[in-house]
Amino acid sequence: AQSVTQLDSHVSVSEGTPVLLRCNYSSSYSPSLFWYVQHPNKGLQLLLKYTSAATLVKGINGFEAEFKKSETSFHLTKPSAHMSDAAEYFCVVSSLANAGGTSYGKLTFGQGTILTVHP
Amino acid sequence: EAQVTQNPRYLITVTGKKLTVTCSQNMNHEYMSWYRQDPGLGLRQIYYSMNVEVTDKGDVPEGYKVSRKEKRNFPLILESPSPNQTSLYFCASSTRGAQLFFGSGTQLSVL
Repeated sequence: AQSVTQLDSHVSVSEGTPVLLRCNYSSSYSPSLFWYVQHPNKGLQLLLKYTSAATLVKGINGFEAEFKKSETSFHLTKPSAHMSDAAEYFCVVSSLANAGGTSYGKLTFGQGTILTVHP
Repeated sequence: EAQVTQNPRYLITVTGKKLTVTCSQNMNHEYMSWYRQDPGLGLRQIYYSMNVEVTDKGDVPEGYKVSRKEKRNFPLILESPSPNQTSLYFCASSTRGAQLFFGSGTQLSVL
């Protein structure tokens, strides 16, 4: 079984200040973890992914996330928010155990965190 | 251009009238999956397919069917739609654990 909890449904920051979006997960297997972003009326875009390599993962647009197994967390951060970062963000866990680690199996999304950036 | 194509983009139907939402990808991806997105619930996986003729249930499969007869197509079938299936639906595909490519979505309303 697997689950994802995004700890904040809404986060509001000022432009130029740090962003922290929190995600906790549970998984029966060694998980793969992802962050996706969805801008209004758009599809989903991959920000970054963790697949058992380096625990600090760098993604696009200055975002990064750190996998902490002891805390079962995968929080997303960015040092300085930009107006264009305003969107909804989803943390995702994937079970790869039934696929030999070569493909996705069951994917579970968090409930989403809406990021608002103020001028 | 590499893409995942869903049709239709918008669909309004009535309770009990069978419908199919098509999904096609042109990237030769093995993995395809369907999700529904509802406010406050994020995306929930309905079904996924690891390859042709291989499908499995996601978190919310009740009321839905899928088939994977060809690698490129993965239609979502609602045999008897109900109002609680009103939602925004996304299809996605991927290969070898790489990123998911999402379709543009299908907004379904069941009256």
